[in-house]
Amino acid sequence: SQTIHQWPATLVQPVGSPLSLECTVEGTSNPNLYWYRQAAGRGLQLLFYSVGIGQISSEVPQNLSASRPQDRQFILSSKKLLLSDSGFYLCAWRAKGTGLYSNQPQHFGDGTRLSIL
Amino acid sequence: KNQVEQSPQSLIILEGKNCTLQCNYTVSPFSNLRWYKQDTGRGPVSLTIMTFSENTKSNGRYTATLDADTKQSSLHITASQLSDSASYICVVSARSNSGYALNFGKGTSLLVTP
Repeated sequence: SQTIHQWPATLVQPVGSPLSLECTVEGTSNPNLYWYRQAAGRGLQLLFYSVGIGQISSEVPQNLSASRPQDRQFILSSKKLLLSDSGFYLCAWRAKGTGLYSNQPQHFGDGTRLSIL
Repeated sequence: KNQVEQSPQSLIILEGKNCTLQCNYTVSPFSNLRWYKQDTGRGPVSLTIMTFSENTKSNGRYTATLDADTKQSSLHITASQLSDSASYICVVSARSNSGYALNFGKGTSLLVTP
């Protein structure tokens, strides 16, 4: 069966420090991968998605970046964190379905709670 | 602009009671609608999915309905349990040339009390 792992579960970082959140998927190959941020009282906001190794699409301008060095590894990074980067970060994967209009569900990790001080 | 509005924002019910959560959307072109359950500190988990031609879908005590004409969906929880306490998120998928765009509601926070 497929599983998705995110770490760390909780992170407290000072403003201006770097960030690296990692997400790995097991039990599937060539998945679509996603990074979301969920701020308190707000819906999930798509930050990045990737359809393959080295292929990253950014949905919103920000000081975060993403990389996909391996097929089932997705990394969210920042060189200098801002207070506004605080939030709950979720990684998700989805199998590539047949055809353009795939109805495959997204499977979410358990998230990283990031607090910026 | 594609939008998904959920109501109520929060809800408190007694264990054993039923409740209904609402989702209204202005997403086009519509592809499908999912309800997710998100326990505190965890990632969302899919409960149901409905496409344009489906107007009801059940998953145990959870029953989702869809009215594609009025662009409304509801999630009905029967005989609520303490473990139903969670945030319920409505996600509407829109078709696009590049695949799918997911539009997330802000969720309804449900608390089931003894």
